[in-house]
Amino acid sequence: DTAVSQTPKYLVTQMGNDKSIKCEQNLGHDTMYWYKQDSKKFLKIMFSYNNKELIINETVPNRFSPKSPDKAHLNLHINSLELGDSAVYFCASSARDRGHGYTFGSGTRLTVV
Amino acid sequence: SQKIEQNSEALNIQEGKTATLTCNYTNYSPAYLQWYRQDPGRGPVFLLLIRENEKEKRKERLKVTFDTTLKQSLFHITASQPADSATYLCALGGYGGSQGNLIFGKGTKLSVKP
Repeated sequence: DTAVSQTPKYLVTQMGNDKSIKCEQNLGHDTMYWYKQDSKKFLKIMFSYNNKELIINETVPNRFSPKSPDKAHLNLHINSLELGDSAVYFCASSARDRGHGYTFGSGTRLTVV
Repeated sequence: SQKIEQNSEALNIQEGKTATLTCNYTNYSPAYLQWYRQDPGRGPVFLLLIRENEKEKRKERLKVTFDTTLKQSLFHITASQPADSATYLCALGGYGGSQGNLIFGKGTKLSVKP
């Protein structure tokens, strides 16, 4: 049973398109995250979300938006894709108390052409 | 601005030796520090957490130290094996707001040769 699952695993799309990446966790965690890992392998937080607050990294363009239909899902929508958006996007989840380890999905490799 | 440095991009050691990875940080007062392992094409996997009031944590062949004065954590793998070859990431977390989210270092790629 996959704890945090992301779909699709690979996504190739043209500039200007709008795309979504889905994430689901079956761990009962109440906080979910999106991270971006660029070509230099640097993991950067984009969003964290629980049922009370959405925290957005101020460097994330507003073309990116998280959508959470319920506690087990946090999808990532990207509008007007740009070449620089190409990266691997990781979804993660954790329990409420700060300091618990995060459980990551296996990533979505987005390539914008 | 907050900065996390993992001093070596790559570390090569012989099987059976102890691997020691370093994580330094500046302009930050984390409440805890975590270490993750990442294999190619996979997401990071949580290994260990150490809190600001703890000096050392152990788990099987892994040992982590945390020195808040030096602003440094050391991650040790004893009796290393080729299967330990991976990229190891340190991550810092703090209290409340955006500081509650983990901030990751760039990682150290460990290669253990047989």
